[in-house]
Amino acid sequence: DTGVSQNPRHKITKRGQNVTFRCDPISEHNRLYWYRQTLGQGPEFLTYFQNEAQLEKSRLLSDRFSAERPKGSFSTLEIQRTEQGDSAMYLCASSLYFGGREGRTEAFFGQGTRLTVV
Amino acid sequence: AQSVTQLDSHVSVSEGTPVLLRCNYSSSYSPSLFWYVQHPNKGLQLLLKYTSAATLVKGINGFEAEFKKSETSFHLTKPSAHMSDAAEYFCVVSAGTYKYIFGTGTRLKVLA
Repeated sequence: DTGVSQNPRHKITKRGQNVTFRCDPISEHNRLYWYRQTLGQGPEFLTYFQNEAQLEKSRLLSDRFSAERPKGSFSTLEIQRTEQGDSAMYLCASSLYFGGREGRTEAFFGQGTRLTVV
Repeated sequence: AQSVTQLDSHVSVSEGTPVLLRCNYSSSYSPSLFWYVQHPNKGLQLLLKYTSAATLVKGINGFEAEFKKSETSFHLTKPSAHMSDAAEYFCVVSAGTYKYIFGTGTRLKVLA
């Protein structure tokens, strides 16, 4: 399977614990995105990378959240001191951008990591 | 700034009748527009996309959408609904900084 892969698929954690999620994008894709989706809502943008550079972070991404893409391949999203409000589906997507408006291709999404904070 | 408004949170149609899911967008730049579908407990799947070519875009499973710049709309249609079309549909805009901005979704119900 050459799609976007996310691990783990499910995570249950106690409030106050740290969690880390991993995303493996489609190998030739240079852009990687993180989104959060709560029940009944559309995915909300969190952050994105072009290669290893983090180009934009949403105001939704508090200081407790950090994302990395160290070698421009896989990415990790860490949440420190989890709160119940962090419970959501965390989605990763990747795309190939090759410049200009025509280079704005579609994003391919993984199955997501469902986080439950108890 | 860019945003997407999906005008209906729920749409119900009978099997075999046409489907219309409405989407309006706002963008300071020439946008790319997409429709994604999400079936229960499944990932997001691309239905179709508009970048800068033909304004009438055909997608998978018989869906199509028309980009109307004057109306800032990108409505999704299908001539005849099938039971398997029941799902959540998201209209997405990408412009400027190239992140993808989602609408709140439209849940399509198909009645037998």
